[in-house]
Amino acid sequence: EAQVTQNPRYLITVTGKKLTVTCSQNMNHEYMSWYRQDPGLGLRQIYYSMNVEVTDKGDVPEGYKVSRKEKRNFPLILESPSPNQTSLYFCASSLNSAGGPGKNYGYTFGSGTRLTVV
Amino acid sequence: QQPVQSPQAVILREGEDAVINCSSSKALYSVHWYRQKHGEAPVFLMILLKGGEQKGHEKISASFNEKKQQSSLYLTASQLSYSGTYFCGTEADRGSTLGRLYFGRGTQLTVWP
Repeated sequence: EAQVTQNPRYLITVTGKKLTVTCSQNMNHEYMSWYRQDPGLGLRQIYYSMNVEVTDKGDVPEGYKVSRKEKRNFPLILESPSPNQTSLYFCASSLNSAGGPGKNYGYTFGSGTRLTVV
Repeated sequence: QQPVQSPQAVILREGEDAVINCSSSKALYSVHWYRQKHGEAPVFLMILLKGGEQKGHEKISASFNEKKQQSSLYLTASQLSYSGTYFCGTEADRGSTLGRLYFGRGTQLTVWP
């Protein structure tokens, strides 16, 4: 089944304790992104990657790191989590953004990771 | 560069129609529409590309006015299953930030029997 797999689904951690949220897709997609979702703010992009070893900052990259060593994996790393990083996180992937008439290159989202930093 | 969605919320009876609008201050290459049900991940509905227009599925369609940098999502004869939060995502013209998708804050749609 084509999917984006995120782990863990729920995580409670303490301030300053490094953590990694994993994201893996089995669709050979080029584009992968991380978003955080907070009430009333919609989905805000943290980082995105256009392909292996190609990553760039989104709108809210502070306090996060990513890596794209393999096409299928795009982990999100919080080196020193703080309470303001408490949020719902989504990983998403897309074949590419080229599209073209008749093409359907939407983003497939993972199930989400609800992170609480205390 | 976050697009602006309106209205923020819509309440409908089954069978009624609704329109959700999305506007951007930037030239756009594509507009995406997604629906998110409570506690779930957003699900892709359709994409509209510069120079073209694509219909979605069921009774949900959309338009894209490139000159005005606006898109509208049309839900006709709404069903209970249409309830959820709708997000538009905009991708700026390819010359600039290829691959970046900016989402609006969402429109909460509630359909009552």
